Amino acid sequence: DAGVIQSPRHEVTEMGQEVTLRCKPISGHDYLFWYRQTMMRGLELLIYFNNNVPIDDSGMPEDRFSAKMPNASFSTLKIQPSEPRDSAVYFCGAGSGNTIYFGEGSWLTVV
Amino acid sequence: QKEVEQNSGPLSVPEGAIASLNCTYSDRGSQSFFWYRQYSGKSPELIMFIYSNGDKEDGRFTAQLNKASQYVSLLIRDSQPSDSATYLCAVSQSTGNQFYFGTGTSLTVIP
Repeated sequence: DAGVIQSPRHEVTEMGQEVTLRCKPISGHDYLFWYRQTMMRGLELLIYFNNNVPIDDSGMPEDRFSAKMPNASFSTLKIQPSEPRDSAVYFCGAGSGNTIYFGEGSWLTVV
Repeated sequence: QKEVEQNSGPLSVPEGAIASLNCTYSDRGSQSFFWYRQYSGKSPELIMFIYSNGDKEDGRFTAQLNKASQYVSLLIRDSQPSDSATYLCAVSQSTGNQFYFGTGTSLTVIP
């Protein structure tokens, strides 16, 4: 990896609860991406930011999902209320050219 | 989401053989093409990128691009057991823009 830090690494929560995933991207990278990975659908782009501004959120599944990037060093992805079908690995990635550096992912299980 | 198709495999090759991984994409506006490797339980990491038609070699890896056929492939020569992983194809319309991933091909190199 190249320094993208995600938290929590693992979370198990009950249906209906709010979930907040956090990302600290690499400094100097203008783009920040949130992806979700499942066995069935692979890596899906949820939203990406350029210089802290959301550019494309068309991949966000529904209104239960929201993402923010209040500054260049921090972003959150929130799910409220969570549902079992949200169970997946959520990756944050930082990029500034022809690649994305991914964090280790947040493994979410909603029961 | 832009469509990127890969054969999910699993693909098994003996150690020392050539592994061939294939990917097709639907968006003719795609300009940049990437191969990522993902070990089980880990995040994707970039192996190679290619922009122009033809071949690009990096060590044991060769990426091949044919824009007319909307086809990109990855060849791994002298396959090693450590190459056993899932290989993800990704495409992007322009540098720094959103990346769309295929669901990946699982490769096992048999000692």
